[in-house]
Amino acid sequence: GDSVTQMEGPVTLSEEAFLTINCTYTATGYPSLFWYVQYPGEGLQLLLKATKADDKGSNKGFEATYRKETTSFHLEKGSVQVSDSAVYFCALSSLEGGYNKLIFGAGTRLAVHP
Amino acid sequence: GAGVSQSPSNKVTEKGKDVELRCDPISGHTALYWYRQRLGQGLEFLIYFQGNSAPDKSGLPSDRFSAERTGESVSTLTIQRTQQEDSAVYLCASSLPQRGAGELFFGEGSRLTVL
Repeated sequence: GDSVTQMEGPVTLSEEAFLTINCTYTATGYPSLFWYVQYPGEGLQLLLKATKADDKGSNKGFEATYRKETTSFHLEKGSVQVSDSAVYFCALSSLEGGYNKLIFGAGTRLAVHP
Repeated sequence: GAGVSQSPSNKVTEKGKDVELRCDPISGHTALYWYRQRLGQGLEFLIYFQGNSAPDKSGLPSDRFSAERTGESVSTLTIQRTQQEDSAVYLCASSLPQRGAGELFFGEGSRLTVL
């Protein structure tokens, strides 16, 4: 079945450092890809998405490019802030069963220190 | 409010008791999902409802778990004879029925602790 693998955390960075969180996927067909973020004490919310190969999703300074050849969707940010501390989940939209079921990775906790 | 609402936010119960968790989706969202998030782990799909179609129950871990939804409104997830391994955060999400690219809107979850 479809699956998502993302790098284990926690990732600890100093403010203004460069961030990369790796995500690879296995899927039949051409899924849409997502990054969701869970800030402390809040529900998951969509950070960005890409719906086809070579698309780049971006939001709040974060970017991720849908790479079909490497089945990857790595999350990057050039300069992280303390407020970016959260758990980040990579997900794909599986069409198994004919509907939009999201399959999530295990999550990567990011801690940014001043 | 306009978001997905879940209750209770926290539930502590004794092993063997039944619990019921409630989800109130965003108005107009015909699709509703339940996920489970165990401590330090990713989200595990449990069940999906879409309008009046038969639900996809393929993620329910055992017959102790069941869920209902009336039309396109509130859903309840029931866990019977709770076990310690049921301790987790149970997340509900709703969306429009957009195949492949739809965004899921999550509630803040119900944290279940089974003693």
